[in-house]
Amino acid sequence: KQEVTQIPAALSVPEGENLVLNCSFTDSAIYNLQWFRQDPGKGLTSLLLIQSSQREQTSGRLNASLDKSSGRSTLYIAASQPGDSATYLCAVRMDSSYKLIFGSGTRLLVRP
Amino acid sequence: DAGVIQSPRHEVTEMGQEVTLRCKPISGHNSLFWYRQTMMRGLELLIYFNNNVPIDDSGMPEDRFSAKMPNASFSTLKIQPSEPRDSAVYFCASSRDSGGQFFGPGTRLTVL
Repeated sequence: KQEVTQIPAALSVPEGENLVLNCSFTDSAIYNLQWFRQDPGKGLTSLLLIQSSQREQTSGRLNASLDKSSGRSTLYIAASQPGDSATYLCAVRMDSSYKLIFGSGTRLLVRP
Repeated sequence: DAGVIQSPRHEVTEMGQEVTLRCKPISGHNSLFWYRQTMMRGLELLIYFNNNVPIDDSGMPEDRFSAKMPNASFSTLKIQPSEPRDSAVYFCASSRDSGGQFFGPGTRLTVL
């Protein structure tokens, strides 16, 4: 059974820092991996989607990497800003299903 | 693109009443998902449809919950009768084949 873990559960950094959020999964037979952010009281916003054949995806200050063999993905945020404060969720889709399996999220606070 | 549209955004009802939540997926997407999010249980997949057909409803908590997708542009999630423990945020999401999932803004349901 696939399990998705996100570490740390919470992170507080000063504005301007580069930071890395971690996501690990136990079963490497994934179809793709998706990173989301969720602001309090809001829905999930898709940030990046990495297909199983890809190693990384970039969007602006965000870069997500995928290492299937080790069961890991990282989300790198460059030059963090207070507006980046949110909960970040990773989710994997398995080869055999349309379902997403979510991690429990990392709650990020970027202090001005 | 308008994104996934959900209505109502907020619903307050009394125990025993019927509740109907509505979703319009992104045009061209062929998969639709209903999720429920609570503080205690996080994000749970209730049911998903592919090409308007229910594929997996194993997450539907009880027979009080039902979902339909009469056409490619509309789905409903119904709770009858509603109970206080159904209070949660309900999200609808859609996707297309190998693409990622895109979430709607959610419906915040409060059952008194």
